[in-house]
Amino acid sequence: GAVVSQHPSRVICKSGTSVKIECRSLDFQATTMFWYRQFPKQSLMLMATSNEGSKATYEQGVEKDKFLINHASLTLSTLTVTSAHPEDSSFYICSARDLITGGEKLFFGSGTQLSVL
Amino acid sequence: AQSVTQLGSHVSVSEGALVLLRCNYSSSVPPYLFWYVQYPNQGLQLLLKYTTGATLVKGINGFEAEFKKSETSFHLTKPSAHMSDAAEYFCAVSEGNTPLVFGKGTRLSVIA
Repeated sequence: GAVVSQHPSRVICKSGTSVKIECRSLDFQATTMFWYRQFPKQSLMLMATSNEGSKATYEQGVEKDKFLINHASLTLSTLTVTSAHPEDSSFYICSARDLITGGEKLFFGSGTQLSVL
Repeated sequence: AQSVTQLGSHVSVSEGALVLLRCNYSSSVPPYLFWYVQYPNQGLQLLLKYTTGATLVKGINGFEAEFKKSETSFHLTKPSAHMSDAAEYFCAVSEGNTPLVFGKGTRLSVIA
């Protein structure tokens, strides 16, 4: 079945550095990818919707200059947390929509735990 | 490791009929359980969640779910389906300090 690969699964970085998270659809084409943030013991918060070849659409309150999203191909979207601070520590989860099945089926990455020291 | 099984990738009900979407989970610790809905061309929206306390959880749009530890289930129900309920529904589990693990989703169709 369709698989979404998300890397890294865990990253620890120093405050002020940038971290890139990759989300790949391994066996399908994903025109749309969603990036979510998850705080411990809480539900997901949609950060942005990423469409291949165009600029991402950010949710209200999400800083687009801080959370850079690139969706350059039908199988890869990246989220870069720039100048990370401890408050950016969180889980980040991507999901991808399978174009072939009519665009509505959604598959999830396994998440990235970001810890900023 | 946690896991979620949603029985039935597609459920079809008549308008006004009971909606029942099944979810079974596996977790080594008391779980946090969630139901999300995805409407066409939108991201996920939280319907309801169970963390601790009352096992019957009420959510938005008339949905509710009951946590049954003995059955490791968290089925989603709604007494009377509306056309607007047609969407994809995802059950998810977390152990609190772990990323959510999602089921494969159940597409709900509502027939007039």
